[in-house]
Amino acid sequence: RKEVEQDPGPFNVPEGATVAFNCTYSNSASQSFFWYRQDCRKEPKLLMSVYSSGNEDGRFTAQLNRASQYISLLIRDSKLSDSATYLCVVNGRSNTDKLIFGTGTRLQVFP
Amino acid sequence: EAQVTQNPRYLITVTGKKLTVTCSQNMNHEYMSWYRQDPGLGLRQIYYSMNVEVTDKGDVPEGYKVSRKEKRNFPLILESPSPNQTSLYFCASSWARGSNEQFFGPGTRLTVL
Repeated sequence: RKEVEQDPGPFNVPEGATVAFNCTYSNSASQSFFWYRQDCRKEPKLLMSVYSSGNEDGRFTAQLNRASQYISLLIRDSKLSDSATYLCVVNGRSNTDKLIFGTGTRLQVFP
Repeated sequence: EAQVTQNPRYLITVTGKKLTVTCSQNMNHEYMSWYRQDPGLGLRQIYYSMNVEVTDKGDVPEGYKVSRKEKRNFPLILESPSPNQTSLYFCASSWARGSNEQFFGPGTRLTVL
């Protein structure tokens, strides 16, 4: 089993749609969780951290379910500019352990 | 501007010809690392450094070397490149290893013929 698993997609959605991605992680001791965004052939950039109580940043909402060991990202009112690959990132065993990157979920928003 | 820079951005080379990819950050970060990204495999860590003169292997260190003589620089060295090292390479830095945002360089696309 991979340490961090994501559906690779692609998710093809029209502008204005709501889309959700899930990510599962294998290590129950993981402490830190993130979503990164990566545009084609560019470097990954932090989209948002994921907190235990869930958090929102504009059109983006991240949730953490420790019991089931998954993280989700919800994007409301999708824009063309949201087209990218979204990487789920988890730290290994503690806050001092390395970050483990999922292979990413590709989102394509069409007009 | 806070940033991580890498050079070169693109490189085509031949098997066995030693090369160095430079990485520099201006944020005074202690932690730096190198990743390679391959289709279907995601980002895999090659080497990391917790501070000056402190380096350690990541998940895929074979065929690579690093050094950390100064806090800002973390070069990646391929002593004898092989075709299976053809990949997209990213340098990253952060304040700490696992709990903070990592800032990535723009990437180096390496092709080994």
